[in-house]
Amino acid sequence: DIQMTQSPPTLSASVGDRVTITCRASQSISSWLAWYQQKPGKAPKLLIYMASSLESGVPSRFSGSGSGTEFTLTISSLQPDDFATYYCQQYNSFSTFGQGTKLEIK
Amino acid sequence: EVQLVESGGGLVQPGGSLRLSCAASGFTFANYDMNWVRQAPGKGLESVSYISASSRTIYYADSVKGRFTISRDNAKNSLYLQMNSLRDEDTAVYFCARQYYDLAFNVWGQGTMVTVSS
Repeated sequence: DIQMTQSPPTLSASVGDRVTITCRASQSISSWLAWYQQKPGKAPKLLIYMASSLESGVPSRFSGSGSGTEFTLTISSLQPDDFATYYCQQYNSFSTFGQGTKLEIK
Repeated sequence: EVQLVESGGGLVQPGGSLRLSCAASGFTFANYDMNWVRQAPGKGLESVSYISASSRTIYYADSVKGRFTISRDNAKNSLYLQMNSLRDEDTAVYFCARQYYDLAFNVWGQGTMVTVSS
């Protein structure tokens, strides 16, 4: 089974900051990597698929990069609506999610 | 409007059974692979099961293998998860999610709560 390791578990930042979340796969997954945003009591929302493709309707301040085993999600300028929990997911072989990163207001 | 609506959750005793349903609307259900994903209270996301559009390919997480069965009825635009021999650790919100090739899980239902407790 492919394991996904996400860091950091918690991130404190301010509106306007640039933040980066990293995700590492236990084996190569090529570009089969997605990023999701989840708010309390809600279903996850797809942000990025195939490591770097922006889902329709998602603001351009969100970007993804990486391939193989190392991936990053970057938010270029944090907005108040961005404070949430973020998950990476490999879908190269069935599906595995990272443990999540809770983005908090500093 | 593209929509997934789960139902069938509730309170069940350990060792009991429950059948979850996911009703799809607004798209051609038969063209899409489908998934069940769960989230225990205060915890992260866990993929539970996958079924291809034709039902030819099915996957399960090790944690539910042999106890859960995924199925679909394309004529009824519905996805199912039969859960047997339920354990305390199966307590979670269960989401159904649509998957299409490289687009990952781009449509999710609102979730249905399953509580396993005596």
